This record gives sequence, C-alpha cells and structure tokens, in this order.
Amino acid sequence: AAGVIQSPRHLIKEKRETATLKCYPIPRHDTVYWYQQGPGQDPQFLISFYEKMQSDKGSIPDRFSAQQFSDYHSELNMSSLELGDSALYFCASSPVGRGYTDTQYFGPGTRLTVL
Amino acid sequence: AQSVTQLDSHVSVSEGTPVLLRCNYSSSYSPSLFWYVQHPNKGLQLLLKYTSAATLVKGINGFEAEFKKSETSFHLTKPSAHMSDAAEYFCVVRPNQAGTALIFGKGTTLSVSS
Repeated sequence: AAGVIQSPRHLIKEKRETATLKCYPIPRHDTVYWYQQGPGQDPQFLISFYEKMQSDKGSIPDRFSAQQFSDYHSELNMSSLELGDSALYFCASSPVGRGYTDTQYFGPGTRLTVL
Repeated sequence: AQSVTQLDSHVSVSEGTPVLLRCNYSSSYSPSLFWYVQHPNKGLQLLLKYTSAATLVKGINGFEAEFKKSETSFHLTKPSAHMSDAAEYFCVVRPNQAGTALIFGKGTTLSVSS
C-alpha cells in the first residue's frame, strides 16, 4: 500500500539558512499534519491543513510557515534556522474531512541537522 | 486539558514473556486513543486505535489494548515478546472536541533480551 512520502530524508543546514521539507500524502488523503520530534522527545504538533486551508495550529515558530497545494502535497518552510531546530520532522495524512475521527498515518520523517 | 501519561519510561522483558506498557489518559471528552511504535531511525507506525467501539482493541503483530474508562487507562499488552518488538512505544490521544492534533505521551522504550 502507498505510504506518506517525505523528502528529503536527511538535510544538513547551517545556522540562519532556510530549509524546505516536502510531504506527499497517501492518495485520496486530503488532510496533512506536521510534527517535530526533538532528540529523545515525543513528537509535538506543529500545524495541519485540510483542503489547502490551515485547520489547526500548534507550537510552530513564527520562523516556520507551511502550505498545502492543489495536489494535496504540503511544504514546511523554515527560515533563520537555529541549532534547536535540529529534529526529526514527521508528516502525517488522514483520509477524510477535518481529521477529527480519522487515523493519522505517518511518513518516515525528515531528519534536519542544523550546524 | 487532554494528556497522556506513560507510566514507565523503560520496560525490559525476556523473549517469549508477556509485555505490558502502561498508559493513562486525561480527557474531558470521549477521546480517540492510539498506540504507535517507532523503531530506531524509523517513522511512526500505527499499532492499534480505540474510537469508542469495542473496548478491547486488537492491533498488528499480536498487540492489543483495553480501554478502561473507570481507570482512564489504555494499557498495551502482548502475550509473548519477540526480539523484533524492541522499539519506542507512544500512547497517543486525540481529543475529539479540540482540533486535529495528536497528543503524544513521553514514550516507553521496550527492550527484549534473548
């Protein structure tokens, strides 16, 4: 079965640089979520989109922005990177509606290292 | 506020013995509860979910969990551990009345020895 695709899988950046992470949801899933998992931490919700509109917002820094495109893929843009942004970034997707009752399926994650 | 508490940060078992990973939740509403597993350097895989149907939920790889409202618990069990079960396990709640975000517990590391 098709899964959530994230690219790149690994990314190394310098402080103050920008990064763009991409997420391709499972086909026919219209809701996308982004999570950040710091070293040894549990995943923390950043933001979600339903039908290309932001549906929920968590602890996403102002330096980060995200959007969902017409083909339902999503991009997380991160600017002025800081050392503390080093983490595993997960994208998840769910099949129907605003996601209140649907399971979220996670991608393999993008490991961002900021030097 | 909704939250989950995983009562053990680390559980060690021998191969072939039962597994018990404990989770308590706090929710003002009837929540959806999940267990996810994360193997080293891998993504999060759904083990099972509870969404107000049967209180005993069966998942993949022989895992199951029982929702006990009176105890606000959702413990994960497996009758016989396998070496491949060694991983990080997250108990997760989604408060149905409050947005789409999943709220993760701090995780339990399961070690399995031969």
